[in-house]
Amino acid sequence: EVQLVESGGGLVQPGGSLRLSCVGSGFTLSDHWIHWVRQPPGKGLVWVSRNNGFGMNPAYAQPARGRFTISRDDAKNTVYLQMDSLRVDDTAVYYCVRGRDFENAYAMDVWGQGTTVTVS
Amino acid sequence: IAMTQSPRSLPVTPGEPASISCRSSYSLLHSDGYNYLDWYFQKPGQSPQLLIYLGSNRASGVPDRFSGSGSGTYFTLKISRVEPEDVGVYYCMQTLETFYTFGQGTELEIK
Repeated sequence: EVQLVESGGGLVQPGGSLRLSCVGSGFTLSDHWIHWVRQPPGKGLVWVSRNNGFGMNPAYAQPARGRFTISRDDAKNTVYLQMDSLRVDDTAVYYCVRGRDFENAYAMDVWGQGTTVTVS
Repeated sequence: IAMTQSPRSLPVTPGEPASISCRSSYSLLHSDGYNYLDWYFQKPGQSPQLLIYLGSNRASGVPDRFSGSGSGTYFTLKISRVEPEDVGVYYCMQTLETFYTFGQGTELEIK
């Protein structure tokens, strides 16, 4: 079964750090772009970051730029999101999401179950 | 690129059609001829799922009562006959620019 499983969420104080992990199974991670999308409590979806196979071409939404770092270990089929200088408004469920393939980041077709980050 | 959906709330009678609009602040039509617009659906308490990509292509396993249309800056998601399991929030998302952006979401509810 193709799936993504996130972990690493939790409660952290403002200014603190967390590292989220996303493990893929049933497919080869390096063959796909991987995104992070977050959803604040009771609100809509917000795209956060992405990179493609072998960790190339990282990109970040403006609120994450300079504070978050996306990376991956394709040998472990794992993507990470290092989040530093966390703020209260970073509180959200964070989803790891698979893009279409190595060439194309759109059509995010596999979503993890999400991991909750609470900054308070 | 800003994405604006309407309506924000959509009450529908089962068996009736439904339509959701999505406007972008910049044309999503690429020189390759594709419109870089996805549609996603989130059931209550669940992770979102992909419905439509490149404006009009249904994702694998998506029922054919869902269809996407439009070009440039105006797009529509149509459900030909709403079923109770279609209750949830629908989002459009532009994938043209490196920094993807979602619409605010449209909540479909059953009358």
